[in-house]
Amino acid sequence: GAVVSQHPSRVICKSGTSVKIECRSLDFQATTMFWYRQFPKQSLMLMATSNEGSKATYEQGVEKDKFLINHASLTLSTLTVTSAHPEDSSFYICSAREVGYEQYFGPGTRLTVT
Amino acid sequence: AQSVTQLGSHVSVSEGALVLLRCNYSSSVPPYLFWYVQYPNQGLQLLLKYTTGATLVKGINGFEAEFKKSETSFHLTKPSAHMSDAAEYFCAVILSSGSARQLTFGSGTQLTVLP
Repeated sequence: GAVVSQHPSRVICKSGTSVKIECRSLDFQATTMFWYRQFPKQSLMLMATSNEGSKATYEQGVEKDKFLINHASLTLSTLTVTSAHPEDSSFYICSAREVGYEQYFGPGTRLTVT
Repeated sequence: AQSVTQLGSHVSVSEGALVLLRCNYSSSVPPYLFWYVQYPNQGLQLLLKYTTGATLVKGINGFEAEFKKSETSFHLTKPSAHMSDAAEYFCAVILSSGSARQLTFGSGTQLTVLP
């Protein structure tokens, strides 16, 4: 149980385009989903927290107009990187929480912007 | 505020040797503590967690950790390293109170297992 999927696992896009990453909780209802960013050889940095049906809460320094997060249902959250630039290239990981404290992590999405 | 410090960004052990990965935390309220493992280009897998109760916690793959409040530590150990243990390990903390319940991660420790 408690499986979280991400799609796509890898994506390459051209500079200036937008890319959408999906995060799904497969066997539970996720009232809260989290989006993290991880640079090579570094730890996970929380980008934003989203609760189903409400606007995401972004961490300081994260541009909400660039990283659009939608949590439209209890099983799906999306992260859209708008007008992507090479510096947005990173490993993006989502996690989902039903109730309580435990988060379940997705397998991550490798974004490369050329 | 909560924080996590992992001493040693890289740890190398020989196969069969003891694994010890260090984690210290700072928290104003009783913490929930976690250890995760990450293999290359993959997400995080929970190894073990401490919330309340017994301070020695056993996890998957033979790992265990002991919560020591007096030392504000939650070190991860495994008696005998296996080649498959080579990965990145993250210690993390959540405050037991408060609505946000956000994970704060340490900087990670890369474990290398030598044949």
